[in-house]
Order: sequence, then C-alpha cells, then structure tokens
Amino acid sequence: EVQLVESGGGLVQPGRSLRLSCAASGFTFDDYAMHWVRQPPGKGLEWVSGISWNSGNIDYADSVRGRFTSSRDNAKYSLYLQMNSLRDEDTALYYCATNIGSPNAFDLWGQGTMVTVSS
Amino acid sequence: QSVLTQPPSVSAAPGQKVTISCSGSDSNIGSNFVSWYLQLPGTAPQLLIYDNNKRPSGIPDRFSGSKSGTSATLGITGLQTGDEGDYYCGTWDTSLSAGTWVFGGGTKLTVL
Repeated sequence: EVQLVESGGGLVQPGRSLRLSCAASGFTFDDYAMHWVRQPPGKGLEWVSGISWNSGNIDYADSVRGRFTSSRDNAKYSLYLQMNSLRDEDTALYYCATNIGSPNAFDLWGQGTMVTVSS
Repeated sequence: QSVLTQPPSVSAAPGQKVTISCSGSDSNIGSNFVSWYLQLPGTAPQLLIYDNNKRPSGIPDRFSGSKSGTSATLGITGLQTGDEGDYYCGTWDTSLSAGTWVFGGGTKLTVL
C-alpha cells in the first residue's frame, strides 16, 4: 500500500527541540521530492520545507528557516524534520507529503503528527 | 495572511453549482501550475485538481479547475453533502531565487 506515516510529535517547551519522522512505503522513495506541511489548530495549511530526491536542494519557509532542518535517508525510505528553538506559533499538525503523479501538486499525504509547544 | 487569496466561505444547496476563486500574483499563479485540495473534517488534505485543470484518478468530473492570468477557479457541480469541507488552492512561488510552495487561506464549503 502506498502510504506515508509520520511520528515523533508531542508536547515540548518553548526553546526546546523535537525531531519528526515520516516513513514511506509502496513507492520508490528516492524517485521523489518530499515536503513538510503544517496546520495550526483551526487554521489553514502552511508549507514548511521541501527536499529533493537526492537532498541536493532543500528549501524552507521564512517562518522556520534557520531553526528547522529537513533531511532524508533513502535507504530507510524515511524523511525527517529536526525542529530547534521551537516557538508557541510552531504548534500545529505536521504532515509529510509528496508529488508522485505530478511535480506540481501533493497527491500523497500522511495522517499527520501533532506538535504542541507550550510551557 | 496567505499569499493566495480565497473567500473564507461559500455555500449552496444540494445539486447546485459553486465556484471557489484563488487570487495570486505573477510570481505564483501567473507562472506556475495550480492545484486544489479538499480537507474533510479530521482528515488529511486530498488532491482534487492538479496542473490547473487535471483530475487524479478517482476524482469525479463534477470537480473542475481553470486558470486565467493570476487567478484560478475551482468549480463543483451537482453538490452533495459529502462535499462539505475546506478547500485549498496551492502553487509554487518563484519570487525568490529558491522556490517555495504557497497555499490559499482555505474556503469552507457548506451544502445547505
């Protein structure tokens, strides 16, 4: 079955760190770029980061650049998001997503993992 | 404040037609493909339309997409109660040297 499964979310204090993981299955992981998209409670979608198939290109939203780091391990079919210096406004449901059918859309999403930043 | 502008809400009766607009600029909609997503309550977004007007396998032809200049539109005909949810448009934004992905703020569809 083609799927993405996120993990690693939880409750963390402001200023601390957290690492999210996304496990892929059912497709050739290293053929595709991967992305992180987040959704604060009750709000809309916000793209966080994208990483090319070979990690040669990694982009970030301005809101997380310098604090978050995306990486991937193609041998393990896994995507990661290292989140440092977390802030209250980073509280959100974090999805990993990819574009298998078209490079211009996200056609496969995980179920999301919740990150709550609070003291 | 989202880079792409959508109406906060739209509504229509079952069986009717509705359109949802998405307005951007030359650096995003004006020069890149647009996609549309439906997020049903408590679920992850699902792709409805890609490359402005293409439907993935399994998406009924009641859903259609179009683009003109720096705006895009999602159309839904034969509205059903199961269509209720939040709709988002998205595209690349290449205003900076590195491209970033941008979404609209979302439109809540109510089927009265």
